[in-house]
Amino acid sequence: DAMVIQNPRYQVTQFGKPVTLSCSQTLNHNVMYWYQQKSSQAPKLLFHYYDKDFNNEADTPDNFQSRRPNTSFCFLDIRSPGLGDAAMYLCATSRAWTGGYTFGSGTRLTVV
Amino acid sequence: QKEVEQNSGPLSVPEGAIASLNCTYSDRVSQSFFWYRQYSGKSPELIMSIYSNGDKEDGRFTAQLNKASQYVSLLIRDSQPSDSATYLCAVPLQAGGGADGLTFGKGTHLIIQP
Repeated sequence: DAMVIQNPRYQVTQFGKPVTLSCSQTLNHNVMYWYQQKSSQAPKLLFHYYDKDFNNEADTPDNFQSRRPNTSFCFLDIRSPGLGDAAMYLCATSRAWTGGYTFGSGTRLTVV
Repeated sequence: QKEVEQNSGPLSVPEGAIASLNCTYSDRVSQSFFWYRQYSGKSPELIMSIYSNGDKEDGRFTAQLNKASQYVSLLIRDSQPSDSATYLCAVPLQAGGGADGLTFGKGTHLIIQP
Protein backbone atom coordinates (compact mmCIF):
# COMPACT_ATOMS: atom_id res chain seq x y z
CA ASP A 1 0.00 0.00 0.00
CA ALA A 2 1.12 3.53 -0.74
CA MET A 3 2.04 5.23 2.47
CA VAL A 4 4.14 7.66 4.47
CA ILE A 5 6.72 6.02 6.70
CA GLN A 6 8.56 7.70 9.55
CA ASN A 7 11.59 6.31 11.29
CA PRO A 8 12.18 5.79 14.08
CA ARG A 9 8.87 5.68 15.96
CA TYR A 10 10.61 6.66 19.16
CA GLN A 11 13.85 8.60 19.45
CA VAL A 12 15.73 9.49 22.62
CA THR A 13 18.51 12.02 22.28
CA GLN A 14 20.75 13.87 24.65
CA PHE A 15 20.44 17.58 25.26
CA GLY A 16 22.47 19.36 22.58
CA LYS A 17 23.22 16.24 20.52
CA PRO A 18 22.18 16.54 16.87
CA VAL A 19 19.41 14.23 15.80
CA THR A 20 17.83 13.39 12.45
CA LEU A 21 14.33 12.11 11.84
CA SER A 22 13.39 10.57 8.52
CA CYS A 23 10.30 10.33 6.38
CA SER A 24 9.71 8.42 3.17
CA GLN A 25 6.68 8.18 0.92
CA THR A 26 5.48 5.92 -1.87
CA LEU A 27 2.59 8.19 -2.87
CA ASN A 28 4.66 10.24 -5.33
CA HIS A 29 3.30 13.40 -3.73
CA ASN A 30 5.15 16.56 -4.65
CA VAL A 31 4.81 18.27 -1.26
CA MET A 32 6.25 17.04 2.04
CA TYR A 33 5.66 18.72 5.39
CA TRP A 34 7.07 18.55 8.89
CA TYR A 35 4.82 19.32 11.84
CA GLN A 36 5.67 19.49 15.53
CA GLN A 37 3.00 18.49 18.02
CA LYS A 38 3.48 18.95 21.74
CA SER A 39 1.23 17.35 24.31
CA SER A 40 -2.39 18.56 24.12
CA GLN A 41 -1.50 21.09 21.43
CA ALA A 42 -2.33 21.44 17.75
CA PRO A 43 0.20 20.25 15.20
CA LYS A 44 2.38 23.20 14.23
CA LEU A 45 3.84 23.45 10.74
CA LEU A 46 7.62 23.83 10.77
CA PHE A 47 8.38 23.84 7.03
CA HIS A 48 7.57 22.15 3.77
CA TYR A 49 9.10 21.23 0.44
CA TYR A 50 7.16 21.86 -2.74
CA ASP A 51 9.17 19.70 -5.09
CA LYS A 52 12.69 20.99 -4.41
CA ASP A 53 11.59 24.39 -3.12
CA PHE A 54 12.03 24.77 0.62
CA ASN A 55 9.52 26.90 2.54
CA ASN A 56 10.24 27.76 6.14
CA GLU A 57 7.55 29.03 8.51
CA ALA A 58 8.48 32.42 9.94
CA ASP A 59 8.51 31.26 13.55
CA THR A 60 10.41 28.00 13.05
CA PRO A 61 13.61 28.15 15.12
CA ASP A 62 16.94 28.07 13.28
CA ASN A 63 17.73 24.95 15.27
CA PHE A 64 15.47 23.04 12.90
CA GLN A 65 16.60 22.22 9.37
CA SER A 66 15.30 19.99 6.64
CA ARG A 67 16.60 18.15 3.59
CA ARG A 68 14.81 16.56 0.69
CA PRO A 69 17.35 14.66 -1.41
CA ASN A 70 14.70 13.22 -3.74
CA THR A 71 10.93 12.99 -4.18
CA SER A 72 10.56 10.09 -1.78
CA PHE A 73 12.60 11.16 1.22
CA CYS A 74 12.63 14.10 3.58
CA PHE A 75 14.68 14.59 6.75
CA LEU A 76 14.28 16.77 9.81
CA ASP A 77 17.52 17.78 11.48
CA ILE A 78 17.57 19.26 14.95
CA ARG A 79 21.03 20.71 15.42
CA SER A 80 21.05 21.17 19.19
CA PRO A 81 17.95 19.70 20.80
CA GLY A 82 16.68 21.35 23.94
CA LEU A 83 14.23 20.01 26.49
CA GLY A 84 11.54 22.15 24.86
CA ASP A 85 11.96 20.26 21.58
CA ALA A 86 10.51 17.09 23.05
CA ALA A 87 7.42 16.43 20.98
CA MET A 88 5.79 14.25 18.36
CA TYR A 89 7.14 15.08 14.91
CA LEU A 90 4.75 14.39 12.10
CA CYS A 91 5.60 14.08 8.43
CA ALA A 92 2.81 14.63 5.93
CA THR A 93 2.55 14.63 2.16
CA SER A 94 0.16 16.03 -0.38
CA ARG A 95 -0.24 16.61 -4.06
CA ALA A 96 -0.47 20.37 -4.35
CA TRP A 97 -3.91 21.86 -5.06
CA THR A 98 -5.76 18.59 -4.50
CA GLY A 99 -6.48 19.07 -0.81
CA GLY A 100 -5.54 15.61 0.38
CA TYR A 101 -2.91 15.26 3.10
CA THR A 102 -1.49 11.95 4.34
CA PHE A 103 0.34 11.71 7.64
CA GLY A 104 3.00 9.28 8.71
CA SER A 105 2.80 7.55 12.07
CA GLY A 106 5.04 10.15 13.70
CA THR A 107 8.28 10.08 15.67
CA ARG A 108 8.12 10.70 19.41
CA LEU A 109 11.27 12.60 20.40
CA THR A 110 12.49 12.60 23.98
CA VAL A 111 15.36 14.84 25.05
CA VAL A 112 17.29 13.82 28.16
CA GLN B 1 -2.54 34.46 10.54
CA LYS B 2 -5.37 32.01 10.12
CA GLU B 3 -6.95 30.81 13.33
CA VAL B 4 -9.02 27.73 13.95
CA GLU B 5 -10.91 27.52 17.23
CA GLN B 6 -12.30 24.43 18.90
CA ASN B 7 -13.62 23.70 22.35
CA SER B 8 -10.98 21.47 23.92
CA GLY B 9 -13.49 19.50 25.98
CA PRO B 10 -13.56 16.84 27.14
CA LEU B 11 -16.90 16.21 25.52
CA SER B 12 -18.59 13.20 27.09
CA VAL B 13 -21.33 11.41 25.10
CA PRO B 14 -23.19 8.18 25.92
CA GLU B 15 -22.67 5.25 23.61
CA GLY B 16 -25.21 5.26 20.79
CA ALA B 17 -25.89 9.00 21.00
CA ILE B 18 -24.90 11.72 18.54
CA ALA B 19 -21.63 13.52 19.21
CA SER B 20 -21.46 17.07 17.91
CA LEU B 21 -18.09 18.75 17.44
CA ASN B 22 -17.72 22.37 16.44
CA CYS B 23 -15.06 24.52 14.83
CA THR B 24 -14.84 28.18 13.83
CA TYR B 25 -12.23 29.74 11.58
CA SER B 26 -11.04 33.27 11.06
CA ASP B 27 -10.35 33.52 7.32
CA ARG B 28 -13.43 34.25 5.21
CA VAL B 29 -11.76 33.08 2.00
CA SER B 30 -11.05 29.55 3.24
CA GLN B 31 -12.57 27.06 0.84
CA SER B 32 -11.76 23.62 2.18
CA PHE B 33 -12.02 22.11 5.63
CA PHE B 34 -10.83 18.89 7.14
CA TRP B 35 -11.64 16.81 10.19
CA TYR B 36 -8.93 14.55 11.55
CA ARG B 37 -9.21 11.97 14.30
CA GLN B 38 -6.20 11.47 16.53
CA TYR B 39 -5.91 8.68 19.05
CA SER B 40 -3.57 9.26 21.98
CA GLY B 41 0.04 8.85 20.88
CA LYS B 42 -0.90 8.35 17.23
CA SER B 43 -0.81 10.55 14.15
CA PRO B 44 -3.90 12.35 12.75
CA GLU B 45 -6.15 10.36 10.45
CA LEU B 46 -8.39 12.12 7.93
CA ILE B 47 -12.04 11.25 8.40
CA MET B 48 -13.90 13.98 6.51
CA SER B 49 -13.29 16.82 4.11
CA ILE B 50 -15.84 19.39 3.00
CA TYR B 51 -15.67 22.14 0.42
CA SER B 52 -19.25 23.37 -0.12
CA ASN B 53 -21.87 24.84 2.16
CA GLY B 54 -24.27 22.31 3.58
CA ASP B 55 -23.91 18.73 4.74
CA LYS B 56 -21.66 15.92 3.62
CA GLU B 57 -22.31 12.42 4.91
CA ASP B 58 -19.97 9.45 5.05
CA GLY B 59 -21.24 6.49 7.04
CA ARG B 60 -21.81 7.57 10.63
CA PHE B 61 -20.05 10.89 10.06
CA THR B 62 -21.64 14.11 8.79
CA ALA B 63 -19.69 17.31 8.21
CA GLN B 64 -21.61 20.57 8.10
CA LEU B 65 -20.23 23.80 6.65
CA ASN B 66 -21.60 27.32 6.93
CA LYS B 67 -19.20 29.73 5.25
CA ALA B 68 -21.27 32.81 6.09
CA SER B 69 -20.90 32.02 9.78
CA GLN B 70 -17.35 30.65 9.35
CA TYR B 71 -18.40 27.51 11.11
CA VAL B 72 -17.83 23.83 10.43
CA SER B 73 -19.09 20.94 12.50
CA LEU B 74 -18.78 17.18 12.67
CA LEU B 75 -21.59 14.91 13.78
CA ILE B 76 -20.95 11.31 14.76
CA ARG B 77 -24.08 9.19 14.86
CA ASP B 78 -24.44 6.02 16.91
CA SER B 79 -21.28 6.87 18.84
CA GLN B 80 -19.05 3.94 19.73
CA PRO B 81 -16.35 3.67 22.40
CA SER B 82 -13.83 3.39 19.55
CA ASP B 83 -14.77 6.95 18.56
CA SER B 84 -13.13 8.22 21.75
CA ALA B 85 -10.27 10.36 20.48
CA THR B 86 -9.25 13.95 19.85
CA TYR B 87 -10.85 15.49 16.77
CA LEU B 88 -8.86 18.15 14.97
CA CYS B 89 -10.35 20.71 12.62
CA ALA B 90 -7.96 21.95 9.92
CA VAL B 91 -7.94 24.61 7.23
CA PRO B 92 -5.38 25.08 4.45
CA LEU B 93 -3.00 27.96 5.03
CA GLN B 94 -3.47 28.93 1.39
CA ALA B 95 -7.07 29.76 0.49
CA GLY B 96 -7.08 27.92 -2.82
CA GLY B 97 -5.47 24.81 -1.38
CA GLY B 98 -2.01 25.13 -2.83
CA ALA B 99 0.90 23.57 -1.02
CA ASP B 100 1.32 25.65 2.11
CA GLY B 101 -0.01 23.03 4.51
CA LEU B 102 -2.74 23.08 7.13
CA THR B 103 -3.43 25.09 10.24
CA PHE B 104 -5.08 23.05 12.97
CA GLY B 105 -7.32 23.77 15.89
CA LYS B 106 -6.22 22.42 19.25
CA GLY B 107 -8.76 19.65 18.98
CA THR B 108 -11.76 18.46 20.96
CA HIS B 109 -11.26 15.48 23.24
CA LEU B 110 -14.28 13.21 22.81
CA ILE B 111 -15.13 10.49 25.31
CA ILE B 112 -17.83 7.94 24.48
CA GLN B 113 -19.18 6.43 27.66
CA PRO B 114 -20.23 2.75 27.39
